[in-house]
Amino acid sequence: GENVEQHPSTLSVQEGDSAVIKCTYSDSASNYFPWYKQELGKGPQLIIDIRSNVGEKKDQRIAVTLNKTAKHFSLHITETQPEDSAVYFCAATLYSSASKIIFGSGTRLSIRP
Amino acid sequence: DADVTQTPRNRITKTGKRIMLECSQTKGHDRMYWYRQDPGLGLRLIYYSFDVKDINKGEISDGYSVSRQAQAKFSLSLESAIPNQTALYFCATSDLSKADTQYFGPGTRLTVL
Repeated sequence: GENVEQHPSTLSVQEGDSAVIKCTYSDSASNYFPWYKQELGKGPQLIIDIRSNVGEKKDQRIAVTLNKTAKHFSLHITETQPEDSAVYFCAATLYSSASKIIFGSGTRLSIRP
Repeated sequence: DADVTQTPRNRITKTGKRIMLECSQTKGHDRMYWYRQDPGLGLRLIYYSFDVKDINKGEISDGYSVSRQAQAKFSLSLESAIPNQTALYFCATSDLSKADTQYFGPGTRLTVL
């Protein structure tokens, strides 16, 4: 089955700098890669996703890149702000009627003022 | 997400007690999930249900059982709670026709003494 590894487990960056979180997956059949943000005391929420037919996707200050050959994908946050402080989860799945999403172990991102 | 509610939000119980966690959703989604979150281990799938008559084990189902009472309701039971089941539990829903994005409830913090 699918296995997703996520690094780093914790990340601290200066406000205004960029943050990068990396994930690798094991099942080459996986074709859908969402990223979730979990704020303190809340459940995770989808922030961006990418499908295997696309190499990069951007949404304002966040972007995700996918390298299918190497089986890794990354989340990039530019111009970080205090409200970006949260736990981020990557995930991978085969988008089909019988699929389950497998989550990475999470990255706790802290933004220093 | 207010569309997915969980009760109770916090629960402290003793070893050996039977516990039920409840999840309700107003999103009209067919798919519902129960996850467990432990520090450093991300989100691990306990059980999932793709429709009212469908129940499937996830990666850590031992010691847990579920009931899908209706499309909108999915409950998780711990028949005889043990301390290593102390964790944060999340319910989620999804709709395959909408990219299978998972919508999480606010979580239930369970402590087993």
